[in-house]
Amino acid sequence: QQQVKQSPQSLIVQKGGISIINCAYENTAFDYFPWYQQFPGKGPALLIAIRPDVSEKKEGRFTISFNKSAKQFSLHIMDSQPGDSATYFCAATEGGSQGNLIFGKGTKLSVKP
Amino acid sequence: ETGVTQSPTHLIKTRGQQVTLRCSSQSGHNTVSWYQQALGQGPQFIFQYYREEENGRGNFPPRFSGLQFPNYSSELNVNALELDDSALYLCASSTGQGRNTFGSGTRLTVV
Repeated sequence: QQQVKQSPQSLIVQKGGISIINCAYENTAFDYFPWYQQFPGKGPALLIAIRPDVSEKKEGRFTISFNKSAKQFSLHIMDSQPGDSATYFCAATEGGSQGNLIFGKGTKLSVKP
Repeated sequence: ETGVTQSPTHLIKTRGQQVTLRCSSQSGHNTVSWYQQALGQGPQFIFQYYREEENGRGNFPPRFSGLQFPNYSSELNVNALELDDSALYLCASSTGQGRNTFGSGTRLTVV
């Protein structure tokens, strides 16, 4: 069964717009929720992460919103740029930042100039 | 430059053969994990090694095995290759307190 469900599968946003990617999970033992960015031919790179005791975390143009009761979290990319075009993965672990990552299926983001 | 180097970058093997993929981590990164990423999918956890001992395993058969060496390098071995083993294989390393850093992966094609 898929432990982390990610949507949408693909997303097209105009330059300057807001990109929103959503994830839902079932396992309440998850205690670390990172987002990764992956460009073609490269491995995933950590973008931003949050722990369940915080409802929001912001780093530059990237914000994670976390809803513990709904078991959902989302990534918001403000002022989206063509260079943000990549595949984004949400993930979750039980062992903090050292745990085995359970990934969503990914969202392919295209930012149009 | 992520500090995690994987080799080779691409590999073509025939069904039934065996393959060894290599990963070189940064000094001090005593935890290494391997993931399989099928085309269009998220990475799936294969196993993790901590100080040269297996420290967790995902839902992969025993023909997937690994080794971690004292010099922070590691190997993923796959025996009896199947067509479905075609994927990008990713290595991720971390210190005891740090976050996972992924390499660029090895693209394995089984024909």
